[in-house]
Amino acid sequence: QVQLQESGPGLVQASETLSLTCAVSGYSISSGYYWGWIRQPPGKGLEWIGSMYHSGSTYYNPSLKSRVTISVDTSKNQFSLKLSSVTAADTAVYYCARHRADRYYFDYWGQGTLVTVSS
Amino acid sequence: DIQMTQSPSSVSASVGDRVTITCRASQGISSWLAWYQQKPGKAPKLLIYGASSLQSGVPSRFSGSGSGTDFTLTISSLQPEDFATYYCQQTNSFPITFGQGTRLEIK
Repeated sequence: QVQLQESGPGLVQASETLSLTCAVSGYSISSGYYWGWIRQPPGKGLEWIGSMYHSGSTYYNPSLKSRVTISVDTSKNQFSLKLSSVTAADTAVYYCARHRADRYYFDYWGQGTLVTVSS
Repeated sequence: DIQMTQSPSSVSASVGDRVTITCRASQGISSWLAWYQQKPGKAPKLLIYGASSLQSGVPSRFSGSGSGTDFTLTISSLQPEDFATYYCQQTNSFPITFGQGTRLEIK
């Protein structure tokens, strides 16, 4: 059974960098699929942040591209998100999830982690 | 970017009712559409992909249809556990985009 689990600080200071990690079990990241991040501000809808293939190919949401970096660590079977220069607008539940390279629907999701940006 | 627009934003219905939610893409996406169900405090759950293919384990009362720009999610006979928020997502191209969601409430 594929499982994803997000981890990282629940509170980040404004202007700092948000860093989260998603640990994957039950499936090897190196075997394929894109590994992505989606966020959801409190009471609002879903926003895709970006996705990365194990080989390094990445796609980012244009609205966040200048601040986002997604990386993969195949030795630890995990991938990470860094979002720089955060503001209160970045307060959200952050989910990690996977999708196929040829079909971009997310079939497995982490439980989500709330990150609050404090001023 | 492909914009996804859902309607209605919210709907009230009773157990046993048939409910239809609509999703429209700003440009043609063939059948590259997925539907998710999200309950409070939980991650979204994939219901349908490829516009009409039921994800494994999803009850058959859920069905999807459409192609091009117009799509529908139908729940044939609402059950108590179906009251949730539903999102469509275009799976055609990057950047990946979602609809704004449709909240299904108990009447």
